[in-house]
Amino acid sequence: DQQVKQNSPSLSVQEGRISILNCDYTNSMFDYFLWYKKYPAEGPTFLISISSIKDKNEDGRFTVFLNKSAKHLSLHIVPSQPGDSAVYFCAALSSYGGSQGNLIFGKGTKLSVKP
Amino acid sequence: EPEVTQTPSHQVTQMGQEVILRCVPISNHLYFYWYRQILGQKVEFLVSFYNNEISEKSEIFDDQFSVERPDGSNFTLKIRSTKLEDSAMYFCASKFHDSSNQPQHFGDGTRLSIL
Repeated sequence: DQQVKQNSPSLSVQEGRISILNCDYTNSMFDYFLWYKKYPAEGPTFLISISSIKDKNEDGRFTVFLNKSAKHLSLHIVPSQPGDSAVYFCAALSSYGGSQGNLIFGKGTKLSVKP
Repeated sequence: EPEVTQTPSHQVTQMGQEVILRCVPISNHLYFYWYRQILGQKVEFLVSFYNNEISEKSEIFDDQFSVERPDGSNFTLKIRSTKLEDSAMYFCASKFHDSSNQPQHFGDGTRLSIL
C-alpha cells in the first residue's frame, strides 16, 4: 500500500540548473508534507515542509509546491549544487484522529548533481 | 545544533538473540519514534512514544518489540527474539511538540544485522 510515491528512483542534474523532485500521495487525510535529505551512513535530515493549507513554501534555494487536487507535491532546488547530491525522501502525515504524526515515507529519489 | 544520537552504529546478532538499540533524543523533546528501513525499501514507522507510554504502533511492532524510556535521556528499542527479517537500519526520531508542523529529527541509525 503505497500511500506516498516517488516514481523516479534517480535524477541527474547539471550544477547550476534546477532540480525538480516529485511526489504523489493517495491519502486525502494527509495534511502536512515534509522533505528529508539523506546522505549515506546518516539519518534523514529535515529540509522543508508544507501544510495542506498552503500551495507553496520557500526556504532559500528550496521551494516546495503542493497541488492538493492532484495529490502531488514537488521540491525545486535552484541552483543545484554538487553538495545537494543525496537521496531525497518525501514524507506525509495526518494530524487527524489524535495521531502523533507518524510519518509515511516515499521510497526516495537519488539526486546526483554533476559539476 | 542538538542531535539525536544512536548507539551502536552497527549491531551484529545471532538469530533468536535479544537486542537493544539505544537512542538519546534531543533533550527538550517530548515525542519519540522508531522507524526502520530494510535494504532497498522505504522507511517504515514502527512506534511512537509520549508521556512514558506508546502512542501508536504499526503492524510491524508485534510482541517481539518493546520500547522503554528507562531514565530522563535514553529511549530504547528491544527486539526479544530476533529473526533474519529484522535486519534493517533502525532510526530513532524525536520532536518537541505535538503540533504537526514540528518536524521530527532523526538520528544516524543503527544497522542491525541478524545472522
